[in-house]
Amino acid sequence: AQKITQTQPGMFVQEKEAVTLDCTYDTSDPSYGLFWYKQPSSGEMIFLIYQGSYDQQNATEGRYSLNFQKARKSANLVISASQLGDSAMYFCAMREYNYGQNFVFGPGTRLSVLP
Amino acid sequence: GAGVSQSPRYKVAKRGQDVALRCDPISGHVSLFWYQQALGQGPEFLTYFQNEAQLDKSGLPSDRFFAERPEGSVSTLKIQRTQQEDSAVYLCASSRQGSTGELFFGEGSRLTVL
Repeated sequence: AQKITQTQPGMFVQEKEAVTLDCTYDTSDPSYGLFWYKQPSSGEMIFLIYQGSYDQQNATEGRYSLNFQKARKSANLVISASQLGDSAMYFCAMREYNYGQNFVFGPGTRLSVLP
Repeated sequence: GAGVSQSPRYKVAKRGQDVALRCDPISGHVSLFWYQQALGQGPEFLTYFQNEAQLDKSGLPSDRFFAERPEGSVSTLKIQRTQQEDSAVYLCASSRQGSTGELFFGEGSRLTVL
């Protein structure tokens, strides 16, 4: 069974600083994808970044990077140069490509960026 | 529009009423997911379709919940005899075939059961 753990219910970061949001996962499927989504207070789910299980390099998308440590089953999101607009809920998610194609989310981390 | 469309955006139901929530995915998207999201929590998987086939319904909380996608496009999530614990935002998402599987989400349907 899949499982996503996000151990930080809430995080604070000073504007312009970097922050790391933790995510660990559990799967027996060798082929899977890891995703991060942002959900502002308005409610829409915004895709941020993707990492495939066979990707050799860590994914980066602008100010977002994914610290992928496969042996530890860890996929932490790093946001550099935080902005006030980064305040939101952040969800880590995983999709297994062999075992049923399901797509499951973690409980989320609420990030607050302080001016 | 080009995105995932859900209706109604807001629904208030009296306990015991039946409700139907509609999802119109992005054209050509093969996979369609339904999630239930309680306030301050992560989306909880309900069910998954590939075209018209419902491949996984393990997340449906009870037999009062039923989903269909008869022509492989629009999907309907039906909740019979609604209970207060059904109050939540219901999110629909779709994804392309042969992609990484990134989900594109609708804006959600907020259900309040009184």
